[in-house]
Amino acid sequence: DADVTQTPRNRITKTGKRIMLECSQTKGHDRMYWYRQDPGLGLQLIYYSFDVKDINKGEISDGYSVSRQAQAKFSLSLESAIPNQTALYFCATSDQNNYGYTFGSGTRLTVV
Amino acid sequence: QKEVEQNSGPLSVPEGAIASLNCTYSDRGSQSFFWYRQYSGKSPELIMSIYSNGDKEDGRFTAQLNKASQYVSLLIRDSQPSDSATYLCAVRPNSGYALNFGKGTSLLVTP
Repeated sequence: DADVTQTPRNRITKTGKRIMLECSQTKGHDRMYWYRQDPGLGLQLIYYSFDVKDINKGEISDGYSVSRQAQAKFSLSLESAIPNQTALYFCATSDQNNYGYTFGSGTRLTVV
Repeated sequence: QKEVEQNSGPLSVPEGAIASLNCTYSDRGSQSFFWYRQYSGKSPELIMSIYSNGDKEDGRFTAQLNKASQYVSLLIRDSQPSDSATYLCAVRPNSGYALNFGKGTSLLVTP
């Protein structure tokens, strides 16, 4: 099994719908992150969490929310999806020493 | 804004040559630097980390860091077609914990 698992792998949704992307990890890491990747724009940080009670906004958090249900689970929600949220979304984890990230396989989201 | 800059490429090198990928960063207090390889449609994979000035070698890969010039590079010796991918430079800023990523350099190794 993968160390960091994202579900779903692919999703097509309609404008205005609420959608949740899920991430779970078996690394035992405390820190979890959500990034989106758009062609030509690189990876942009949406939210990050250092433990269950700690949630922080990243550079592009508008239109997104997160939930850290447990140390191993970190979910990203789009409250009302819009077409410019079409992107590849990655969850990542790191330990407290932050020696680099382990990424999930990504979720390709299309909003029509 | 903590910026990480990379040339988008594509950088094209012949098989067996040395590929040189460069990255500059704006936060002078940054302490941790990473190189990730990303194949099209796949997730980034950590290939090198470097924390102090100088060179760090791992197999065919060498990372070089110059904090005074705010410059980090990745050399790939004996480049192979399988090295063709996008290489992302990532920097942990002094005042935070989340990594800032460059937009990546596309590398093409031609047989």
